[in-house]
Amino acid sequence: AQRVTQPEKLLSVFKGAPVELKCNYSYSGSPELFWYVQYSRQRLQLLLRHISRESIKGFTADLNKGETSFHLKKPFAQEEDSAMYYCALSPNSGNTPLVFGKGTRLSVIA
Amino acid sequence: GAVVSQHPSWVICKSGTSVKIECRSLDFQATTMFWYRQFPKQSLMLMATSNEGSKATYEQGVEKDKFLINHASLTLSTLTVTSAHPEDSSFYICSARTVSFGYTFGSGTRLTVV
Repeated sequence: AQRVTQPEKLLSVFKGAPVELKCNYSYSGSPELFWYVQYSRQRLQLLLRHISRESIKGFTADLNKGETSFHLKKPFAQEEDSAMYYCALSPNSGNTPLVFGKGTRLSVIA
Repeated sequence: GAVVSQHPSWVICKSGTSVKIECRSLDFQATTMFWYRQFPKQSLMLMATSNEGSKATYEQGVEKDKFLINHASLTLSTLTVTSAHPEDSSFYICSARTVSFGYTFGSGTRLTVV
């Protein structure tokens, strides 16, 4: 079965400090991994997908198949980064639903 | 591109009544729509997958007679919460997958049953 684990419910960091939001997954095949962000009272927005290997708003994430991880990183946190972050997995490239982790709330303190 | 419009954004209803939530794909055709439920401070839980022109597939533990899903066209999927009760109060979100833009989400509907 597919599973996404985000071990931290809440992560508080000071502005300018590095951020790492952890995500581990369980899947026997080759999944597609995503990070979504949900700002207060807004809809889910795609932040990153591993196949695109791009950096959005300074965030990066590398898929580590050996450790089955897809941690989200940013070298210098900004106050506007405060939001709920969800790691998600798609089992394959077909029309299948995303499997979400429980989310990590990032709070950036000025 | 790939916008899903979800309405209403919030609704309050009396216990025992039914509520319909609509999700429309504005600039693409959604053959499949995923419906999620999100409780406060929790993650999104998949409720069902609706396919245009056929019956929805429900996740284990989701009552299909209570959460009626209709996907009659390539641009509209609806979720009707029938005989709503306070425990049905939640945030409901629809989602579709597109070739170019990956998964896209509606803005969600906050349902409060009083």
